[in-house]
Amino acid sequence: EDQVTQSPEALRLQEGESSSLNCSYTVSGLRGLFWYRQDPGKGPEFLFTLYSAGEEKEKERLKATLTKKESFLHITAPKPEDSATYLCAVSYGGATNKLIFGTGTLLAVQP
Amino acid sequence: DTAVSQTPKYLVTQMGNDKSIKCEQNLGHDTMYWYKQDSKKFLKIMFSYNNKELIINETVPNRFSPKSPDKAHLNLHINSLELGDSAVYFCASSQESRVTDTQYFGPGTRLTVL
Repeated sequence: EDQVTQSPEALRLQEGESSSLNCSYTVSGLRGLFWYRQDPGKGPEFLFTLYSAGEEKEKERLKATLTKKESFLHITAPKPEDSATYLCAVSYGGATNKLIFGTGTLLAVQP
Repeated sequence: DTAVSQTPKYLVTQMGNDKSIKCEQNLGHDTMYWYKQDSKKFLKIMFSYNNKELIINETVPNRFSPKSPDKAHLNLHINSLELGDSAVYFCASSQESRVTDTQYFGPGTRLTVL
């Protein structure tokens, strides 16, 4: 069954304490892996798209990487404003852009 | 400057009522989507329109009917609302409907059915 699994479900970090979030997927023919950030009461905000294994993208304290089975979102020296739910989604196979989302990782960064 | 906007932000209604949610995007995109986010924060696609044509129609009750008057607007009408329809509904848009296109989301509409 096509599936996207994120771990951990929740993560609490101290400010400056680097860590990684995981997104593993079991789909046939991955076409794109998308990372979003969602703040409470807001819509998902686009962060990165990765298209092929080995690809990496960076933005400020965030770096996303992709292998054939999973993606990592590395957070370096996080700040309290990085606190949010991070969502991973994949598109795969056929002609239409149907995203399959994971259930997210709730990140809390304490000062 | 809002890219994808939705109205209303909150909607509280009684079981059995009919309600609509409106979505507009000013990004010049050809494709728009409706997603439902349940209480566990899981986002699931419901519908997608490309240039006013329905291209994705997931297993959604017939009580849900999307309508796209033009490619910048996608509305969601829900008949005979049920308790289980309570959720946050997100509209999104993408440049085209290619499987590699990034989707940009609106702020969401929280629907509560009493």
